Amino acid sequence: DAGVIQSPRHEVTEMGQEVTLRCKPISGHNSLFWYRQTMMRGLELLIYFNNNVPIDDSGMPEDRFSAKMPNASFSTLKIQPSEPRDSAVYFCASSPLPPGHSSYEQYFGPGTRLTVT
Amino acid sequence: LAKTTQPISMDSYEGQEVNITCSHNNIATNDYITWYQQFPSQGPRFIIQGYKTKVTNEVASLFIPADRKSSTLSLPRVSLSDTAVYYCLVGVYNQGGKLIFGQGTELSVKP
Repeated sequence: DAGVIQSPRHEVTEMGQEVTLRCKPISGHNSLFWYRQTMMRGLELLIYFNNNVPIDDSGMPEDRFSAKMPNASFSTLKIQPSEPRDSAVYFCASSPLPPGHSSYEQYFGPGTRLTVT
Repeated sequence: LAKTTQPISMDSYEGQEVNITCSHNNIATNDYITWYQQFPSQGPRFIIQGYKTKVTNEVASLFIPADRKSSTLSLPRVSLSDTAVYYCLVGVYNQGGKLIFGQGTELSVKP
């Protein structure tokens, strides 16, 4: 298996522009997670899905952020409009286990490094 | 929510055994203890998980005392490639699958 696939790997955009990050989870995994990592705040969970349904989006910083999972093999995280403080590495992860299970093995993608100028 | 406490950084030399201890005083009965490893410019990688006593795999060993209020990740004979940040996670069962990462332990292995 190719693992979790994210695109693009790097994104540089100007403040105010729309940014869309993409993720393809590992086939057969039914849970998908979006994280953001910065030096100041570390690794934060933004939102996660189970069977394509958003379960908890309490980590989404504000309304400028939205995430969708139209099918089991694809998810997007959109930022509109983007701001410099959104600059971070965004990770997507998937898991074969449903949320609430005591075993927390998640498989992370390589991340998208977003720079908003 | 079970908060974890681990050293911010550790130094070691190649060939040595490294032990990273994590404190989790408020661990719940059903919680597992999970460790992740993150190399620079990569996503975290699951390395080991346990509930009690000792767990060993090809990468590391995890020691958990009877009271489960702490755990120790043991890396045998580290190499330069083991330089990474190591995260200890526990206590998220009742939050529906969330992984809450602390600041982790930055391990630096020197030649």
